[in-house]
Amino acid sequence: EAGVTQFPSHSVIEKGQTVTLRCDPISGHDNLYWYRRVMGKEIKFLLHFVKESKQDESGMPNNRFLAERTGGTYSTLKVQPAELEDSGVYFCASSVQGTTSTDTQYFGPGTRLTVL
Amino acid sequence: ILNVEQSPQSLHVQEGDSTNFTCSFPSSNFYALHWYRWETAKSPEALFVMTLNGDEKKKGRISATLNTKEGYSYLYIKGSQPEDSATYLCAFKSGYALNFGKGTSLLVTP
Repeated sequence: EAGVTQFPSHSVIEKGQTVTLRCDPISGHDNLYWYRRVMGKEIKFLLHFVKESKQDESGMPNNRFLAERTGGTYSTLKVQPAELEDSGVYFCASSVQGTTSTDTQYFGPGTRLTVL
Repeated sequence: ILNVEQSPQSLHVQEGDSTNFTCSFPSSNFYALHWYRWETAKSPEALFVMTLNGDEKKKGRISATLNTKEGYSYLYIKGSQPEDSATYLCAFKSGYALNFGKGTSLLVTP
């Protein structure tokens, strides 16, 4: 079974540019999550989809971040325009059930974003 | 904001040593506690999902315990090997979101 995949693995852009990150969850997983780790800090939750619907986007930093999951399969996270403080590793995770206490979230390898 | 604290921040042991780390989390409204093993540039690997007070789980040489009343979990590695070198993350589940600690970075040298 293929795991969660993310593209690209690395992205280096200049301040003010736009970047789009992609996540392909494990097939059959309705729940998809985005997290971010800024260097030296803990991994922080950004948002959660159930199929194509956003369930919780309380962790999104500001309106420069836009996440979509059209069709309930893969998801994209767009940062426009990027700022220096957006640098970090963006993780995607997926799970089967979401709300049950024993539900495991399976993580992708992350996209390392560097904004210069 | 849910504070999840992990200690120590880093650890360096010799091959064959046994070691343990601590994860502290809010003891109220407990739902689940997750442990992950993460090597940089790879996917964090799920180790355990712990839900019940007194839970003990084991995977090979790695085991974990849970105390929800006092809000802590221990991760133990018996007979550490160089391939155990990684960052070990714990995460407190709140609703759908995982609230992570900063992790314990383990280095095992031959």
